[in-house]
Amino acid sequence: EVQLVESGGGLVQPGGSLRLSCAASGFTFSGYWMHWVRQGPGKGLVWVSRTNSGGTTAGYADSVKGRFTISRDNAKNTLYLQMNSLTAEDTAVYYCAREYNPGGLDWGQGTLVTVSS
Amino acid sequence: QSALTQPPSASGSPGQSVTISCTGTSSDVGAYKYVSWYQQHPGKAPKLMIYEVSKRPSGVPDRFSGSKSGNTASLTVSGLQTEDEADYYCSSYAGSNNFEFGGGTKLTVL
Repeated sequence: EVQLVESGGGLVQPGGSLRLSCAASGFTFSGYWMHWVRQGPGKGLVWVSRTNSGGTTAGYADSVKGRFTISRDNAKNTLYLQMNSLTAEDTAVYYCAREYNPGGLDWGQGTLVTVSS
Repeated sequence: QSALTQPPSASGSPGQSVTISCTGTSSDVGAYKYVSWYQQHPGKAPKLMIYEVSKRPSGVPDRFSGSKSGNTASLTVSGLQTEDEADYYCSSYAGSNNFEFGGGTKLTVL
């Protein structure tokens, strides 16, 4: 069974940093592109970032470019999202997702990030 | 404002059909076959319903179908059931390793 378990969310002050992790199991992690998608409270889904299976290329939404960095450790079956210079607009549930067919995503349960003083 | 435009709401009675649109541009929906649709029930993670415009993952009922014409993709739910009441989101590849989502459509089964 495919499992994606996010962790690392929590309360952080504006301007602060946080690193999210996503532990993958039940599939060959190193064979898949991976994404981060977020959802603000009461709002819609927003694509954040994507990395290829080897972690050598990445794409970012304009809203996070230069502040967020996606990475992965295929030996540990883990995806990461380093988030810096956080603002209240970054408050959201962050989902890790596997791209298991072109453009189609499998989702974790999400981790909540709250940016507030 | 989302990159892809969806109607905020849609509704239908049990047994009826409803179609939800997703309008993009010639740089996303119109350019690629990588349009997906997701269903999200309150408090739950999204679930893939359609990928590559019209393909259904295993386990998704054939009541769900997808299509695309020009810059607009559509999701049709036939034979509406109460459990279909949820939020639906479209997504499209937009080139240069970027993806986009629509703003979401709340489907109500009357």
